[in-house]
Amino acid sequence: NAGVTQTPKFQVLKTGQSMTLQCAQDMNHNSMYWYRQDPGMGLRLIYYSASEGTTDKGEVPNGYNVSRLNKREFSLRLESAAPSQTSVYFCASSGAAYSNQPQHFGDGTRLSIL
Amino acid sequence: QQPVQSPQAVILREGEDAVINCSSSKALYSVHWYRQKHGEAPVFLMILLKGGEQKGHEKISASFNEKKQQSSLYLTASQLSYSGTYFCGTERAGANNLFFGTGTRLTVIP
Repeated sequence: NAGVTQTPKFQVLKTGQSMTLQCAQDMNHNSMYWYRQDPGMGLRLIYYSASEGTTDKGEVPNGYNVSRLNKREFSLRLESAAPSQTSVYFCASSGAAYSNQPQHFGDGTRLSIL
Repeated sequence: QQPVQSPQAVILREGEDAVINCSSSKALYSVHWYRQKHGEAPVFLMILLKGGEQKGHEKISASFNEKKQQSSLYLTASQLSYSGTYFCGTERAGANNLFFGTGTRLTVIP
């Protein structure tokens, strides 16, 4: 019973490098989300996909791109990494982008940019 | 749009009670509550929909006052396992996503 799987779990990048964070869910959920978590800031939404084929910006989308590859997979790409993007990234999914649906989170990717 | 949580941190002894508050300046449709232990993913606790219904989950319950745009999480007879950071997530009508508060760090000591 995997739920939401994120890869990699840890990554160190140099400024200017690019990288894609992968996320997959096996719960047949329609909606998927990418958050970043910084100390004292809580969870902030980067991008979300309410359903397959759609993506929308969240609170902090600058410097990121996403792809909803299919119903199961939602990837987050950093084209040119900056130290300000050092954070813990969480992917989540929910049955639908409606208020009565809980979000299920992956274990996170800890990303450091030097 | 980020909701405000209070207190920021609280320390309890086993068996004591605590209340965590979450308030928003925007009209809300629902409030979600999650708990995150150190180094782990947030875990869903409950959802409150507008209507003021109080939800329960073992010794953890919550209420939602839609007129005041506030929700409160009640932890009774706290256990060591309750330690962690509690986040509220708020949703406005018509929105497809949540805005999370900065969290309340709860520590339960023997």
